[in-house]
Amino acid sequence: QKEVEQNSGPLSVPEGAIASLNCTYSDRGSQSFFWYRQYSGKSPELIMFIYSNGDKEDGRFTAQLNKASQYVSLLIRDSQPSDSATYLCALKYSGAGSYQLTFGKGTKLSVIP
Amino acid sequence: GAGVSQSPRYKVAKRGQDVALRCDPISGHVSLFWYQQALGQGPEFLTYFQNEAQLDKSGLPSDRFFAERPEGSVSTLKIQRTQQEDSAVYLCASSPGGSLNTEAFFGQGTRLTVV
Repeated sequence: QKEVEQNSGPLSVPEGAIASLNCTYSDRGSQSFFWYRQYSGKSPELIMFIYSNGDKEDGRFTAQLNKASQYVSLLIRDSQPSDSATYLCALKYSGAGSYQLTFGKGTKLSVIP
Repeated sequence: GAGVSQSPRYKVAKRGQDVALRCDPISGHVSLFWYQQALGQGPEFLTYFQNEAQLDKSGLPSDRFFAERPEGSVSTLKIQRTQQEDSAVYLCASSPGGSLNTEAFFGQGTRLTVV
């Protein structure tokens, strides 16, 4: 069973603060990791993906991957009310020929003005 | 098209009714995925097509679920004899190819409610 675990939240942060979203996974064969943002009633949209240990930065977003600890996180700097959404962690693992995404349940983030 | 298009956006079906959900992927995208998202949950994989070939249907929950993509473009997910537990949002996603680092683009989904 390949599992992706996320704290369902809600996670509340004040505007301008750093939001930290965490995800752990069970399958060491997992190769690529994706963060999707999903607004209520909308489809998931990709924020960024990471496949190498370390940090990857894109604007206000930083993804961090630690394969030894089977842990991936997303930091959102200078959080804005428009960042309020559910954040889905997903992975792809080698051995799945279809390269489908395996998702966590998502963490609901609320940025308070 | 500009993005992945799904229709209908909303569908209410009486228990036992058959339904068909349509997905029109981004033009030229080889890979097409169907996911099921229950309320408060993350999407769960149902099936995968590479062009017209259905290469993985391991996520289909029962033999009441059937998917096709006969010409390698538009796909249809059919659910026969719908049950209340089938109520969910059905998401279609497409990508240019299949690899570990390829982005999948999602459609807006079809919200199915079985009453």
